[in-house]
Amino acid sequence: EDKVVQSPLSLVVHEGDTVTLNCSYEVTNFRSLLWYKQEKKAPTFLFMLTSSGIEKKSGRLSSILDKKELFSILNITATQTGDSAVYLCAESTNAGKSTFGDGTTLTVKP
Amino acid sequence: DSGVTQTPKHLITATGQRVTLRCSPRSGDLSVYWYQQSLDQGLQFLIQYYNGEERAKGNILERFSAQQFPDLHSELNLSSLELGDSALYFCASSLGLVSYEQYFGPGTRLTVT
Repeated sequence: EDKVVQSPLSLVVHEGDTVTLNCSYEVTNFRSLLWYKQEKKAPTFLFMLTSSGIEKKSGRLSSILDKKELFSILNITATQTGDSAVYLCAESTNAGKSTFGDGTTLTVKP
Repeated sequence: DSGVTQTPKHLITATGQRVTLRCSPRSGDLSVYWYQQSLDQGLQFLIQYYNGEERAKGNILERFSAQQFPDLHSELNLSSLELGDSALYFCASSLGLVSYEQYFGPGTRLTVT
């Protein structure tokens, strides 16, 4: 059965800190790895990764995939209180099925 | 605003009843996905439709069914409802069949009493 494990489950930091969120996966017919941010509403798309070693970047957020070791990381630099959210990692297979991890709850204190 | 709409926003019903949740995907998106999010189970993939056809199935109960219509909107039917079906149900859409980012609707919160 496909599995996605995120760590840590929760994290509390102060504004300005840099955080690294981890996502490991076990999946057959892997197609892509996706990151989402969920505040008190629907998840919003952050990144989609399909190739190893290519960093995707958007402002203070960046992510990279390692298909050999089956993991991905999401980095957030110079964190702000608005970054407080649950960050979800999901894998998508060639068959179209998606499996989500339980998420990492990030709290950024002023 | 993702461009995906879901109705209703909230639904309260009794055990044993049947409900229908509706989703309209973003303009141009052909794939629709349904997810269930409960406190103890996280976000669970239920089913995917692509251009009217079922393409992938996840942890969807036999009491649940879905369809996608020619205008690409989708409905999720939940029957013989149980207390444990109380959850937030999200619809998401994407452009293609696989390997595309998904855009989530605001969700329908279902409470079964």
